[in-house]
Amino acid sequence: DTEVTQTPKHLVMGMTNKKSLKCEQHMGHRAMYWYKQKAKKPPELMFVYSYEKLSINESVPSRFSPECPNSSLLNLHLHALQPEDSALYLCASSQEAGNTIYFGEGSWLTVV
Amino acid sequence: AQSVTQPDIHITVSEGASLELRCNYSYGATPYLFWYVQSPGQGLQLLLKYFSGDTLVQGIKGFEAEFKRSQSSFNLRKPSVHWSDAAEYFCAVGPNNNAGNMLTFGGGTRLMVKP
Repeated sequence: DTEVTQTPKHLVMGMTNKKSLKCEQHMGHRAMYWYKQKAKKPPELMFVYSYEKLSINESVPSRFSPECPNSSLLNLHLHALQPEDSALYLCASSQEAGNTIYFGEGSWLTVV
Repeated sequence: AQSVTQPDIHITVSEGASLELRCNYSYGATPYLFWYVQSPGQGLQLLLKYFSGDTLVQGIKGFEAEFKRSQSSFNLRKPSVHWSDAAEYFCAVGPNNNAGNMLTFGGGTRLMVKP
């Protein structure tokens, strides 16, 4: 079973809103990731959590704020986003950082 | 720095025909290699991976890939394509030192299947 669950599947938010994307995995994986994917492009790494600690932040603007409440959950808090932030946001996990990565179905974000 | 090139942006094949998607990588040592597939509006699904050992690896949905060190390639093949294989395919490389994940993706190849 290689299931990573993301909610919501679709989100439309205004530029002044605060919202969150949620991700959950029950595979016992200790590394979790957020990727951003624009249309017709490959995913771009945003953040990596390893053993619930932020280990990689790929120079992501502070309007994106990740949180890892426990080893199964990963959130991405969104505030004051711009229309160019509209994209597919993919959560992923792996047994350890550096192992095979398994992706969720993604959350489609539209900023209006 | 590691990099991945997928030379073909679009490929169209007839249903039932064979398929080969190309992937070339640049890395200082033997990397970890992956192929993912993404159907429209979906996340990425792992098709197969190569870490070490037999250079011909079998994956899901009838796909296979062959690691060729001398050519720095990891091409994906399928002997007979089905209409449901129409999707975007991404080749990716990762470091083999478990020092944190820095998966690097190729630009992707969009596969279209003609009836």
